[in-house]
Amino acid sequence: GAGVSQTPSNKVTEKGKYVELRCDPISGHTALYWYRQSLGQGPEFLIYFQGTGAADDSGLPNDRFFAVRPEGSVSTLKIQRTERGDSAVYLCASSLSEGDTQYFGPGTRLTVL
Amino acid sequence: AQSVTQLDSHVSVSEGTPVLLRCNYSSSYSPSLFWYVQHPNKGLQLLLKYTSAATLVKGINGFEAEFKKSETSFHLTKPSAHMSDAAEYFCVVGRRALTFGSGTRLQVQP
Repeated sequence: GAGVSQTPSNKVTEKGKYVELRCDPISGHTALYWYRQSLGQGPEFLIYFQGTGAADDSGLPNDRFFAVRPEGSVSTLKIQRTERGDSAVYLCASSLSEGDTQYFGPGTRLTVL
Repeated sequence: AQSVTQLDSHVSVSEGTPVLLRCNYSSSYSPSLFWYVQHPNKGLQLLLKYTSAATLVKGINGFEAEFKKSETSFHLTKPSAHMSDAAEYFCVVGRRALTFGSGTRLQVQP
C-alpha cells in the first residue's frame, strides 16, 4: 500500500515569506505527527494530531508555526514570516492510533534564503 | 521526561564484521524504544522496536537490540555488516512525541 507522502519534496523561499507543507498519511491512520530535522541532527518533535485535533503542540518553536488537519486525514504545516533558521527537512509520520509505530514520509526540504 | 544518548557519532567497520551501535536512554516511565535507519536521500525506516515484551528484539535485515533496564541501554547489533548497511541510525524513545538521539553514522569498508 501507499506510504506517507509529502509535498513538495523541496521548497525554496525568501526570508519573510509564508509557506505551506502538506502531508498525506497512510490511509486509515488516525494519528499524524510533524518533526523537523536540522542538518546533522536527529528529528525533533513539533506537533501531533489524533483525528482532527492537535493533541500535543508542545514542540512548535513559536507562534509563526501552525498546523491543521481539518478532516482528520491530510495535514498542512504552515510557517509565517519564514526565517533562515527555519531551513530544515520537515518530516511527517502517521500511525494507526496514538502510541502505535510511526511510519515516516520522505520529508520536505525547506530552504529559506 | 525522556531522552536518548547515542554514544558514538560515527562507527566504521569492515564488511563481514560485527556491528555495535550504542544507545542509553532516560525515561520516567516504562519506555517504548526504537531504532530507525535513514539512508541518504531516503525516509526514516523502522528497524525494530521494544515495547516490554521480550528484552531481545529482532528487527529487519539481521539487526537486533537488547533492552537492559539496569544499564538503561538499548544497543543495536548485527553479526555481520553488509555494504548496504551504511546509513545513519537513530535510537528513539517515546510513545507519541518521539525523542530521537543525535544519530550514529555507520560506515562499512569493503
